[in-house]
Amino acid sequence: GENVEQHPSTLSVQEGDSAVIKCTYSDSASNYFPWYKQELGKRPQLIIDIRSNVGEKKDQRIAVTLNKTAKHFSLHITETQPEDSAVYFCAAKPANQAGTALIFGKGTTLSVSS
Amino acid sequence: NAGVTQTPKFQVLKTGQSMTLQCAQDMNHEYMSWYRQDPGMGLRLIHYSVGAGITDQGEVPNGYNVSRSTTEDFPLRLLSAAPSQTSVYFCASSYSSQGGYGYTFGSGTRLTVV
Repeated sequence: GENVEQHPSTLSVQEGDSAVIKCTYSDSASNYFPWYKQELGKRPQLIIDIRSNVGEKKDQRIAVTLNKTAKHFSLHITETQPEDSAVYFCAAKPANQAGTALIFGKGTTLSVSS
Repeated sequence: NAGVTQTPKFQVLKTGQSMTLQCAQDMNHEYMSWYRQDPGMGLRLIHYSVGAGITDQGEVPNGYNVSRSTTEDFPLRLLSAAPSQTSVYFCASSYSSQGGYGYTFGSGTRLTVV
């Protein structure tokens, strides 16, 4: 089955710096890759997603890139702010599996210091 | 429009007890799923459903049962609680069972088994 590896597990940056979180997946047929942000004690919330027929997607300060050949995708946050501090999860949707079951990475704890 | 509603928010069980975690959505979403979240382990899929009357196992289904008699409800049953089931449980739903749509998560149930 699909396996998603996420790195790094923790990331500390200064306010205004950029942050990059990387994920690799094992199932070459996976076709949907969302990213979720989870603040302490809260539910995960979708922040951006990308489909397998797209290489890059941007939404203000966040962007996601996908390299299907290498089977990895990355989250880029520019001009980080303290409110970006949270746990970020990547996920992949295996195309050959019925339904919409997402397989998640183990998460990256991002800390932005001012 | 309440989104995804989970009850209870907190629960303490004794080893061997059974209970049902409730999940309801009012968005007419086809797809529903249950995840458990443990420190350093990310979100692991327990069971999912692509529509009323259809359920399937995820990554960690042992010790849990589900049913989907209506589109709106997807309860998770713990048959005989064990300390290893201490976790935060999230219910999530998605517009389509075909994938490519982000999840809406419930607020979670924090379960402690003593």
